[in-house]
Amino acid sequence: DAKTTQPNSMESNEEEPVHLPCNHSTISGTDYIHWYRQLPSQGPEYVIHGLTSNVNNRMASLAIAEDRKSSTLILHRATLRDAAVYYCILRDNGGSNYKLTFGKGTLLTVNP
Amino acid sequence: DSGVTQTPKHLITATGQRVTLRCSPRSGDLSVYWYQQSLDQGLQFLIQYYNGEERAKGNILERFSAQQFPDLHSELNLSSLELGDSALYFCASSAGQGFAGGELFFGEGSRLTVL
Repeated sequence: DAKTTQPNSMESNEEEPVHLPCNHSTISGTDYIHWYRQLPSQGPEYVIHGLTSNVNNRMASLAIAEDRKSSTLILHRATLRDAAVYYCILRDNGGSNYKLTFGKGTLLTVNP
Repeated sequence: DSGVTQTPKHLITATGQRVTLRCSPRSGDLSVYWYQQSLDQGLQFLIQYYNGEERAKGNILERFSAQQFPDLHSELNLSSLELGDSALYFCASSAGQGFAGGELFFGEGSRLTVL
């Protein structure tokens, strides 16, 4: 599986935007970029995914670099409930299985 | 609520014992995935089933086994338990065989403590 690199931790203030970076320089053409988050004492939760174009949903936006070697998850207004570990994952559509391989993720702290 | 149900939520047992963790996927989902999360290893993929058949295997120990039944629920069996098996075990489901553009829905996990 192609690897991703994320900062171990980031800090934000409530109601401010948060930009969570992810590097995936070995991404292949068939890899989708997925973001999941895990709140304390809960299972991972899907946030957003994309292939080439930027994506928006009710939770966040995903900005994908033109060469696809990096991406940024954008939380437009952080709330205390957004404090979690955020995982950037590449998911291969070219194979016969589609498991998610989680790395260590970025621990996001949101200050009131 | 993801729609994925895992039981039991908590389980305490002794070394050498055997336990079974159960997962009911979201209604209509055909794929089930099992993950193990321990403090030092993070989230590790164990195994995936699609419509009753094994589809992918990760770092699953030989002492562990799983199956998916005709009603699509899945069970993860852990035997000859060791202290190091203490972890959170998550089940996830997805609609199809696993189109890479689709999402996985995770349950709340089963916390296993081996004493």
